[in-house]
Amino acid sequence: ETGVTQSPTHLIKTRGQQVTLRCSSQSGHNTVSWYQQALGQGPQFIFQYYREEENGRGNFPPRFSGLQFPNYSSELNVNALELDDSALYLCASSSHLEIGETQYFGPGTRLLVL
Amino acid sequence: EDQVTQSPEALRLQEGESSSLNCSYTVSGLRGLFWYRQDPGKGPEFLFTLYSAGEEKEKERLKATLTKKESFLHITAPKPEDSATYLCAVQDDSNYQLIWGAGTKLIIKP
Repeated sequence: ETGVTQSPTHLIKTRGQQVTLRCSSQSGHNTVSWYQQALGQGPQFIFQYYREEENGRGNFPPRFSGLQFPNYSSELNVNALELDDSALYLCASSSHLEIGETQYFGPGTRLLVL
Repeated sequence: EDQVTQSPEALRLQEGESSSLNCSYTVSGLRGLFWYRQDPGKGPEFLFTLYSAGEEKEKERLKATLTKKESFLHITAPKPEDSATYLCAVQDDSNYQLIWGAGTKLIIKP
């Protein structure tokens, strides 16, 4: 069984640029959530996708957007990058959309905005 | 508003010295409390899910317990490889998102 994978592992961008991060969910999982984790803090929920539709969103501006594909893989897009967007971006998948369902995380993408 | 507070922020123990990490939470209706382990620069690794007060789960040297206001992660006779940040998260009955604490950084000295 393949776990959650993310690409790229590291990325350096400059302020104002756009970035796309990718996530492949664990085999058999149809729900994907994205989180932002600043250094020394717990993850912050960005949004969740279930069957290609956004199913919930945290306190992030519209320049954070996403997609989920028919194979349940997902993308996180961030436009007009700001210095504060520098963080570890985590993707998590779960087997179905149910409150209380365990989420399994990928290794993350480290984004540095200069 | 849902809130999760973990204590202590950091904990240094000698190998074999047992201790407990605390996760206090405020949530309108708890649907799940999750413990994860995170190594530096990596994604969180799932440890336990607890659903109701009184529930306990064990895995190797770790044991998680849950009351109506807090959860404890007990570590018995820890080894240096147990060094990591331990994160606690809750999910309420109206929302799919996880609300996280800031974590406890555990360092086990040989």
